[in-house]
Amino acid sequence: KNEVEQSPQNLTAQEGEFITINCSYSVGISALHWLQQHPGGGIVSLFMLSSGKKKHGRLIATINIQEKHSSLHITASHPRDSAVYICAVSRGAQKLVFGQGTRLTINP
Amino acid sequence: NAGVTQTPKFQVLKTGQSMTLQCAQDMNHNSMYWYRQDPGMGLRLIYYSASEGTTDKGEVPNGYNVSRLNKREFSLRLESAAPSQTSVYFCASNIDRDAYEQYFGPGTRLTVT
Repeated sequence: KNEVEQSPQNLTAQEGEFITINCSYSVGISALHWLQQHPGGGIVSLFMLSSGKKKHGRLIATINIQEKHSSLHITASHPRDSAVYICAVSRGAQKLVFGQGTRLTINP
Repeated sequence: NAGVTQTPKFQVLKTGQSMTLQCAQDMNHNSMYWYRQDPGMGLRLIYYSASEGTTDKGEVPNGYNVSRLNKREFSLRLESAAPSQTSVYFCASNIDRDAYEQYFGPGTRLTVT
């Protein structure tokens, strides 16, 4: 079993829908990261959080440390949000452990 | 600031050939990383450098060597390329340690035939 599990693996939605991507992990962490990888391949860090909730524009990330679970929400989704969203956890010793990613497609 | 730059963007090698992937960052970051990304596998750490002058193995170091040339530059060398090393390679950097946001380069798509 992977240390970091994301669901769903693939998600297709219509423009304007509220999107939720989930990430569960099985180990103790110091922080959790959400990354975005666009079809061109570049990877951008969206959030790093160790408790509570963070918001940036239409993106919201939450984490529940006790339940070892995080969610990434996108409000009023748009086709330009189509990308692969990757969850990763910091476990110390300079290493991130990555989930396999969720491929999101938003249709106009 | 250019952020994290990588060269080349694309490369095709024959089995047994060698090459070096270059990475540089202009953010004065202490830590630098090399990852590979394969379909269905997610990103996997090859090597990292916590600070100038130090390097350590990650999850999949076999077949690779690294050099932290100075604070800015961290190179990845394939001494004798194998088809199993066909992958997309990403370099990343951050201020220090894994609890800080990492900044990624654009990637190098390597094919070994």
